[in-house]
Amino acid sequence: QKEVEQNSGPLSVPEGAIASLNCTYSDRVSQSFFWYRQYSGKSPELIMSIYSNGDKEDGRFTAQLNKASQYVSLLIRDSQPSDSATYLCAVGSGGSNYKLTFGKGTLLTVNP
Amino acid sequence: NAGVTQTPKFRILKIGQSMTLQCTQDMNHNYMYWYRQDPGMGLKLIYYSVGAGITDKGEVPNGYNVSRSTTEDFPLRLELAAPSQTSVYFCASSSHKRDPLHNEQFFGPGTRLTVL
Repeated sequence: QKEVEQNSGPLSVPEGAIASLNCTYSDRVSQSFFWYRQYSGKSPELIMSIYSNGDKEDGRFTAQLNKASQYVSLLIRDSQPSDSATYLCAVGSGGSNYKLTFGKGTLLTVNP
Repeated sequence: NAGVTQTPKFRILKIGQSMTLQCTQDMNHNYMYWYRQDPGMGLKLIYYSVGAGITDKGEVPNGYNVSRSTTEDFPLRLELAAPSQTSVYFCASSSHKRDPLHNEQFFGPGTRLTVL
């Protein structure tokens, strides 16, 4: 059973701080990794994808991937109240890649 | 482009009733998926399709059926609804034509289903 584990949260940070969200996965052959943001009552929205070891930056978001440790993280710099949402980590399922396994999500609250 | 659309937005069913959740995408994506999301849980894959005429079971297929007669449409059928099927259902699509690794999935707005 392929598993994706996220820090359980909830996570609360003050406005302007760095929020750090973590995810580990069990399938060693996974090659694609995604972070989705989901506001309450809404559908998941893709915010970052990463395929190679290292860091990938997009505006205030940085995704980090370490395949040897089977670990992927998302950093949100200068956190804003509008970043308050549940963040879902998704991992491409091994050889098929077109199926994703999702973690349960981490609820982030950014306090003004 | 409208992206992925789903109907209805909300539905209340009685135990034993049947219904079809509609999903349409206008991005010419070859892959489509159905997920359910229960409170505090991640997304569980119900069924998926890699192209018209081809469907396969996901993690939690029991009590559901799908069909894929066109690239655009991927309806989910619930037969004999049960309270355990109370959930939020999301349809998603993705394209692997550019690069098989780039399998970003794009989600519809969801259908909130209650079975009483």
